[in-house]
Amino acid sequence: GAGVSQSPSNKVTEKGKDVELRCDPISGHTALYWYRQSLGQGLEFLIYFQGNSAPDKSGLPSDRFSAERTGGSVSTLTIQRTQQEDSAVYLCASSLGAEGWEKLFFGSGTQLSVL
Amino acid sequence: AQTVTQSQPEMSVQEAETVTLSCTYDTSESDYYLFWYKQPPSRQMILVIRQEAYKQQNATENRFSVNFQKAAKSFSLKISDSQLGDAAMYFCAYIRNTPLVFGKGTRLSVIA
Repeated sequence: GAGVSQSPSNKVTEKGKDVELRCDPISGHTALYWYRQSLGQGLEFLIYFQGNSAPDKSGLPSDRFSAERTGGSVSTLTIQRTQQEDSAVYLCASSLGAEGWEKLFFGSGTQLSVL
Repeated sequence: AQTVTQSQPEMSVQEAETVTLSCTYDTSESDYYLFWYKQPPSRQMILVIRQEAYKQQNATENRFSVNFQKAAKSFSLKISDSQLGDAAMYFCAYIRNTPLVFGKGTRLSVIA
């Protein structure tokens, strides 16, 4: 596609359930990022993939959060045993490379609501 | 750790007027990059302007310009001739090595 695609756009789940959020980056982009945006907060870094390198998981808030990137393209963020504090917008971004000046292209995010 | 502070949670501006959004950051590095991103209601973050720390000249992009004060670690965004479409959340961001670090944002309202 022309841009970064995220699905679903909105997700409502019950506390304790597992959820999967999907991100399709721009074709050819080697770097992929996941951020979390809670109400009234900035963007909180979660995880970063660059090519075939081991991902930078330093931002994952707990072991309930995990992510994978298959074939260097599509990425899935999984949240197990969801809690109400997990409610937020989850944004995915990709860039051509990993240079600091690279422009990030963002998707429209997944609004997750945990009841 | 690097931090980015936006001290204005909300700002408003009259259409066609000029507004300045503030941003300060904390780093011990001398070479890095700074960005302003815009987030409209669609939630998709859009790059507004980018500044390389080693460049003395302030970046400009049409109606958008920055005032980069490296010694003061300040990076403000000036929007000239404000338009209704400028209404959005604006985020200041810093990067030296990945990942990009964001401030908490400033919500800009444009009054017709």
